[in-house]
Amino acid sequence: EAGVTQFPSHSVIEKGQTVTLRCDPISGHDNLYWYRRVMGKEIKFLLHFVKESKQDESGMPNNRFLAERTGGTYSTLKVQPAELEDSGVYFCASSQFAGGKTQYFGPGTRLLVL
Amino acid sequence: DQQVKQNSPSLSVQEGRISILNCDYTNSMFDYFLWYKKYPAEGPTFLISISSIKDKNEDGRFTVFLNKSAKHLSLHIVPSQPGDSAVYFCAATPGTYKYIFGTGTRLKVLA
Repeated sequence: EAGVTQFPSHSVIEKGQTVTLRCDPISGHDNLYWYRRVMGKEIKFLLHFVKESKQDESGMPNNRFLAERTGGTYSTLKVQPAELEDSGVYFCASSQFAGGKTQYFGPGTRLLVL
Repeated sequence: DQQVKQNSPSLSVQEGRISILNCDYTNSMFDYFLWYKKYPAEGPTFLISISSIKDKNEDGRFTVFLNKSAKHLSLHIVPSQPGDSAVYFCAATPGTYKYIFGTGTRLKVLA
């Protein structure tokens, strides 16, 4: 069974540009999550999808971040325009059920905004 | 305000000895706790979990202990192996989908 995949693995962009991150969850997992880790800090929750619906986007930093999950399969996270403080590692995770059950993480996308 | 704290950023242990990683939390609503292991350039990998109705959970070389009154949990690895060298994250949740992570502890097992 394939795990959670994320693309790209790395992205280096300039301040003001746009970047779109993609996540493909484990097949059959209705729950998809985005997290972010800024250098050396904790991994922070950004948002949660159940199928194509956003259940909770309370962790999204601001309106420069837009997440979508059209069709309830893969998800994209767009940052527009990117700022320096957006640099970090963006992780996607998925789970079959919500409610505290194990989430399976992808390898992450390392974003560097210059 | 950080609800899950891992106060030791790093830990070095000799191969074959016990590794003890600690985690403290502040939110009494947390009822499910997890440990994840992370290698460089990889995502966190689930290691072991414990529900608040238990005080110990064991899986092979890994044991998690939960002390609810102290709001403290620990991960014991016995015996430690060089392949255990990684960053370990403690996470907690109030039974929902939202994991609250600590900042991680980098474990180095010396051969």
